[in-house]
Amino acid sequence: SQQGEEDPQALSIQEGENATMNCSYKTSINNLQWYRQNSGRGLVHLILIRSNEREKHSGRLRVTLDTSKKSSSLLITASRAADTASYFCATMSNSGYALNFGKGTSLLVTP
Amino acid sequence: EADIYQTPRYLVIGTGKKITLECSQTMGHDKMYWYQQDPGMELHLIHYSYGVNSTEKGDLSSESTVSRIRTEHFPLTLESARPSHTSQYLCASSERGQWNSPLHFGNGTRLTVT
Repeated sequence: SQQGEEDPQALSIQEGENATMNCSYKTSINNLQWYRQNSGRGLVHLILIRSNEREKHSGRLRVTLDTSKKSSSLLITASRAADTASYFCATMSNSGYALNFGKGTSLLVTP
Repeated sequence: EADIYQTPRYLVIGTGKKITLECSQTMGHDKMYWYQQDPGMELHLIHYSYGVNSTEKGDLSSESTVSRIRTEHFPLTLESARPSHTSQYLCASSERGQWNSPLHFGNGTRLTVT
């Protein structure tokens, strides 16, 4: 399995602070995606970064990818209480047919 | 939010019953998936489909079966439910073409087998 592994498992911060989550994976990938899951809901796609990209931005989100280390990070800047959710990385291999998800990071943002 | 719907949201059922979890999408996506999510959050792919009349088993062995008779519909069936089937089941879809396409998820069915 080449499932990603998120780190940390859980993160608690205050509003306004930045939140950084890391993801490591095992084999070569075609792309890496980040998803958010609010409690009791399905996952929502946040951002996709291809294997030939090193950094990508979307609003307050910044994703980096280091294929030599097989790792990615998701940075949420100026966090808000509404950012409270679980965050998953997912990888697609070059020969894959579906996304493989990690175990997720549970983020709590307190007012 | 994506137009993908799962019913029921919650289901509590006794051992041995046959159940079908419904999943429908109105986006015309060819690819559809079923993931099983553990209480500890990890997702495992149990079934996927490339299109009508296509079904494949995923990485996690499952006693469930699926069918894809229509593009928009991808139901999952358990012939005889057991307590070990208790979990959250998430349905997803993605566009035709490259496997890079993001997945659109439903809100899931939380199944409890007593």
